[in-house]
Amino acid sequence: KNQVEQSPQSLIILEGKNCTLQCNYTVSPFSNLRWYKQDTGRGPVSLTIMTFSENTKSNGRYTATLDADTKQSSLHITASQLSDSASYICVVSASPGTYKYIFGTGTRLKVLA
Amino acid sequence: NAGVTQTPKFQVLKTGQSMTLQCAQDMNHNSMYWYRQDPGMGLRLIYYSASEGTTDKGEVPNGYNVSRLNKREFSLRLESAAPSQTSVYFCASSRAGASTDTQYFGPGTRLTVL
Repeated sequence: KNQVEQSPQSLIILEGKNCTLQCNYTVSPFSNLRWYKQDTGRGPVSLTIMTFSENTKSNGRYTATLDADTKQSSLHITASQLSDSASYICVVSASPGTYKYIFGTGTRLKVLA
Repeated sequence: NAGVTQTPKFQVLKTGQSMTLQCAQDMNHNSMYWYRQDPGMGLRLIYYSASEGTTDKGEVPNGYNVSRLNKREFSLRLESAAPSQTSVYFCASSRAGASTDTQYFGPGTRLTVL
């Protein structure tokens, strides 16, 4: 069964600290993996998209890594800010089929001053 | 650009009532999607439209119908609402539906069925 599992479920860190969120997937065949940020009461916003051949991709203070062999991805947030408080969702696209996106349940991050 | 807009933002229905959720995008995207988001679960695809005039069922289509009115608009209809349809509904669009295209989401509609 195609699944995307994220850990931890929730995380609290102090402003300025770094953190890493994990995503494990059992999706086959694999097309790409993306990370979304979802603020409370808002729709998800894309942070990064990585295909099979990409190991790392950055978007400002966000850096995503992908290990297609172990089917693991991580999202590293550097020098966290209060505005980083949100849910972070890992999504894997299963090919063939352009609409087959499998969403994780997300990691809820709280950044405290 | 407004991106993806959804109306209404909130709605309360009684069991058996019907309603239509509206979605529009101004990015000239070909593909549009309807998802539902429930606590403790990932977003699940209800229906998908690859282009104007075409629609396909997603993972959880029962109890819903859709209309791709034109390239901009994609509506979701609940004919006879049930409490199990209490959820947050998101509309999304992407340029061409390729798996590497970025999906852009609307702000969501929070629906409660009593």
